[in-house]
Amino acid sequence: GAVVSQHPSWVICKSGTSVKIECRSLDFQATTMFWYRQFPKQSLMLMATSNEGSKATYEQGVEKDKFLINHASLTLSTLTVTSAHPEDSSFYICSARDSGGNNEQFFGPGTRLTVL
Amino acid sequence: DQQVKQNSPSLSVQEGRISILNCDYTNSMFDYFLWYKKYPAEGPTFLISISSIKDKNEDGRFTVFLNKSAKHLSLHIVPSQPGDSAVYFCAATDQQAGTALIFGKGTTLSVSS
Repeated sequence: GAVVSQHPSWVICKSGTSVKIECRSLDFQATTMFWYRQFPKQSLMLMATSNEGSKATYEQGVEKDKFLINHASLTLSTLTVTSAHPEDSSFYICSARDSGGNNEQFFGPGTRLTVL
Repeated sequence: DQQVKQNSPSLSVQEGRISILNCDYTNSMFDYFLWYKKYPAEGPTFLISISSIKDKNEDGRFTVFLNKSAKHLSLHIVPSQPGDSAVYFCAATDQQAGTALIFGKGTTLSVSS
């Protein structure tokens, strides 16, 4: 099946710093990518929808100035957690929707963020 | 308002027996349903899916049943194996509209040998 990669797979940072997470579709083009977050023992919650060449659409309660999303190409979306705080510690997962397929989504392996 | 519900947070089954995981949804626009398996600190792995035009889809030991009138689906794993122990998420989407997946809260399956 199609492959989606995320980098880094895990990151530890100090409170107040910014962290960038990359999501790449490796063998298909994705005009739309989604960013999810999962807190321990909870479900995956959609944070935002990232559209290539346009602004991301954020879900209610997600601060767009804190979670900056850039979808600069058909194979890359980035999520930057700005001024990270310990409560931002979570598992961040992206998915990419195959533009040439039947809207099937493929998930990345996830990024574990720990903010000290 | 939870659009996708998995009301059983956990399920314990003996090896070789059947595991049945349940999922209910409320949004009648959902036309495509998926089950994912997830281990701690990993991304979800696609398991099996079903379109709303079908009521059953089978893939090896995994079968998904869809009851549209009841807005209910279930995942059957038979025979269950210890390696099946993981968190299972039910997800739904309006595939025609290409919306994001909406996930249930997950069910932790433990298969004992």
